[in-house]
Amino acid sequence: GAGVSQSPSNKVTEKGKDVELRCDPISGHTALYWYRQSLGQGLEFLIYFQGNSAPDKSGLPSDRFSAERTGGSVSTLTIQRTQQEDSAVYLCASSFGFAGELFFGEGSRLTVL
Amino acid sequence: GNSVTQMEGPVTLSEEAFLTINCTYTATGYPSLFWYVQYPGEGLQLLLKATKADDKGSNKGFEATYRKETTSFHLEKGSVQVSDSAVYFCALESNRDDKIIFGKGTRLHILP
Repeated sequence: GAGVSQSPSNKVTEKGKDVELRCDPISGHTALYWYRQSLGQGLEFLIYFQGNSAPDKSGLPSDRFSAERTGGSVSTLTIQRTQQEDSAVYLCASSFGFAGELFFGEGSRLTVL
Repeated sequence: GNSVTQMEGPVTLSEEAFLTINCTYTATGYPSLFWYVQYPGEGLQLLLKATKADDKGSNKGFEATYRKETTSFHLEKGSVQVSDSAVYFCALESNRDDKIIFGKGTRLHILP
C-alpha cells in the first residue's frame, strides 16, 4: 500500500484478555518500529526490527508484551493478560536506511476495561 | 542510555510571535536528530532533520541547528501561525544501534 497500515484502529477489551495489533509497513522499508503513546508520556519506544537482524526488544515494558515480524514485512504486537495501564495508542512506523524518515501509521487505540 | 529531553508544554503564543522549543539529548556516538510534528487528528510526520554537527534542518519556516557542544537541537520559527498549532517531538537516531527514540512532546497553541 501507499502508507503504513495498522489494524484494528480501535480495540476495547476486558482486563486479562490477550490482544493482537497488526502493522503492514511500506513495501521495501527495512526498519519497523512499535511505539506507545499515552497522555503525558510522549512516544515510548517498544521494539525495533531492522532487516534480518535480531530485534531490539529493550523497550518492551513486561514479558506480557511480544512482537514478531514475518518475512521482513508484516508485524504483530501481542499483549497477553491485558491490564488497564496498557490502555494507549500503539503506533507503528517504518523507514528505509539510517537517518531515513519514519512513516507512521494511524495507530491502534487500545482500551482495557 | 540515549535520551531526549524537551521543554514541557503547553506553549501558548500569539500569531506572529517568535517560537523556540528547547531540545537537548544524551547519546553515545554521533546521532542524527529530528523534529516530528503531530497536527490535530493526524499522524506524526517528519518536520526536519540534521545528520551531523553544525547542520541546520529547515522546513515550513522552522529551523533547528545540531549543536554538538551543547548537545542541543532547539526548534525555532520567526513568526508562527495558527496552523502551526500541534504537538512537536524531538527525536534522535543513534549510529550505534539505529534505534530512534523520542522526547515527550511539546504541545503548541497559537492564538489568532
